[in-house]
Amino acid sequence: KQEVTQIPAALSVPEGENLVLNCSFTDSAIYNLQWFRQDPGKGLTSLLLIQSSQREQTSGRLNASLDKSSGRSTLYIAASQPGDSATYLCAVNGNQFYFGTGTSLTVIP
Amino acid sequence: EAQVTQNPRYLITVTGKKLTVTCSQNMNHEYMSWYRQDPGLGLRQIYYSMNVEVTDKGDVPEGYKVSRKEKRNFPLILESPSPNQTSLYFCASSFAGVLETQYFGPGTRLLVL
Repeated sequence: KQEVTQIPAALSVPEGENLVLNCSFTDSAIYNLQWFRQDPGKGLTSLLLIQSSQREQTSGRLNASLDKSSGRSTLYIAASQPGDSATYLCAVNGNQFYFGTGTSLTVIP
Repeated sequence: EAQVTQNPRYLITVTGKKLTVTCSQNMNHEYMSWYRQDPGLGLRQIYYSMNVEVTDKGDVPEGYKVSRKEKRNFPLILESPSPNQTSLYFCASSFAGVLETQYFGPGTRLLVL
């Protein structure tokens, strides 16, 4: 069974800092990997989806990379802002969707 | 507006009283799914449906039922709720299952006393 791990569980950074969130998974037989953002009391919002054949995807200040062979993905956030404060989840999509437990990010003004 | 809706958003009930959480999507998606989210455990899939009249178990199906009679609706049924089913529930849909982006509803917070 696929196991998805996100480290760290929580992260606090000053505004303007660049940061990296990590996601690792145990089974490399995946179709794609997706990064989500979850705000308190809200549903999940899709940020980026990387197909298994791709190495990275970019959207604005966000860049996600995928190394399928090593079972790792990173989400890079440039020039962080207080509005980026949320929980970030990665989901690995094989025959089912498997989610990590998330990284709670706080950006301090 | 393209969206996934869930009702109710909040529900308090007692052990053994049957309840249904509705889920509806307006994007003509074939794939729909239910998850529960618990602290420290992340999101775990309960049931999913590839299309009308096609449903399958996820990782934690015990105590739950689903049906998919119409493409847009995928209700989650708890026939005899127990306190260990207290959780935050999410419905999601996608056009082509695991191959594409999932869109999530706003969540239903359930407390079983």
